[in-house]
Formats: sequence, C-alpha cells, structure tokens
Amino acid sequence: SQKIEQNSEALNIQEGKTATLTCNYTNYSPAYLQWYRQDPGRGPVFLLLIRENEKEKRKERLKVTFDTTLKQSLFHITASQPADSATYLCALGAGSYQLTFGKGTKLSVIP
Amino acid sequence: GAGVSQSPSNKVTEKGKDVELRCDPISGHTALYWYRQSLGQGLEFLIYFQGNSAPDKSGLPSDRFSAERTGGSVSTLTIQRTQQEDSAVYLCASSSFGDRAGANVLTFGAGSRLTVL
Repeated sequence: SQKIEQNSEALNIQEGKTATLTCNYTNYSPAYLQWYRQDPGRGPVFLLLIRENEKEKRKERLKVTFDTTLKQSLFHITASQPADSATYLCALGAGSYQLTFGKGTKLSVIP
Repeated sequence: GAGVSQSPSNKVTEKGKDVELRCDPISGHTALYWYRQSLGQGLEFLIYFQGNSAPDKSGLPSDRFSAERTGGSVSTLTIQRTQQEDSAVYLCASSSFGDRAGANVLTFGAGSRLTVL
C-alpha cells in the first residue's frame, strides 16, 4: 500500500540555520508533490508545488527538491526564524484529484 | 468569500448523538474535500465533490458518515450516532480543480474540532 513518511515528528533548530525536512514515499508514482504549513488550530496552508519532471523549486527562503529515483523530497528553509515554527506537511498527487498527506514534521526554531 | 469557512469551530457532543459540520468553500471553486485529522495522525481523506459529478465517498470510514453539497457550494458533513473514535478535527478544503497539468492546490478552512464524550 502507499506509504508516505516524513523523517521525524519533531525537529528543533537554531535561529539562522537551515532547516531540512524530508518526505519519503513508497508504492507510489506521484505526478507532483506539495508542501503545506499548518499552525496550531488552523488548517494547512499551501507553500510550494513541484512536479515529477522538476528537480528543484524555490520561493523566497524556501527550497524544495524532488528525486523520483530516491522517492524523496527535501524541504529547506534557509535563515530560519522563530516565525517559521509550525508543522510542515508533504502531500503527493498522481494526477487525479486526490492528495495523500504525510503526518507532518513539527519544526521549532529556537531563538 | 475570501476563504473557506467552517462551522462550528468546536463541537462537544455525547456519544450516540448526531452532528452536522458545515463548510462554505471559496466562491468559484468547483472542487470540495473533507479530511479528518486525528491527534498525531496525518490528514485522512473522507469525501470529494466536483461540480455535478457523483462524489467520491471512498474515504468515509462507515455508513454513519455522509455528506452532501447543495447547489455546488455549501457542504454539510453528517455523523450519525457518534462514537468516541470520531473525535478529531474535520477539515474542509476547496480547489479550482487543478491547473493545466492537473495539479490541485487546496485551500483549507480552520477546521471543526469534534469531541465525543
């Protein structure tokens, strides 16, 4: 069955450092992958989308890579700030309307 | 509206009671989703509506769960004879049904937190 794993439930990082979150998947051939941010008591908010034929996508301090051979996406936040503290979810889509979400990684940026 | 609205934001009910959760999607979005998020779990797909097509109900966990979408806009998720394991945050999302390459980007509401005592 399809499985999505986000590397850890929680990640603590010092302010100013680069945070790297991992999303691995098995038994899946996604056409695209998305990253969402979720704050406590709120719904997820879309951040970035990367397609299977793209290696890398950037948006301000965010960078996403997608390696379909390794079946892995890496999500980087450079120059991290306490305001970046949140849970980050990866989601995979295979061209239909369904998105399958990982459980998320809770990032804490320590001042 | 400007975003996806869900009500109630919090609902506490007794086991065995029925509950209704409401979602008002972004105007013009033809696709509407319901997900469930339990503590420490990922988002669990429940049901999907797209325009006038038959909904995809494949994620509904039991026949106690049902949903409808009236007039292609507002949706109601109904849970009958609630059980304690139904306690979770129920999230609604809408989408404009994908870009040219078929990728759907979802806009979520804040969710309805259901607690079954």
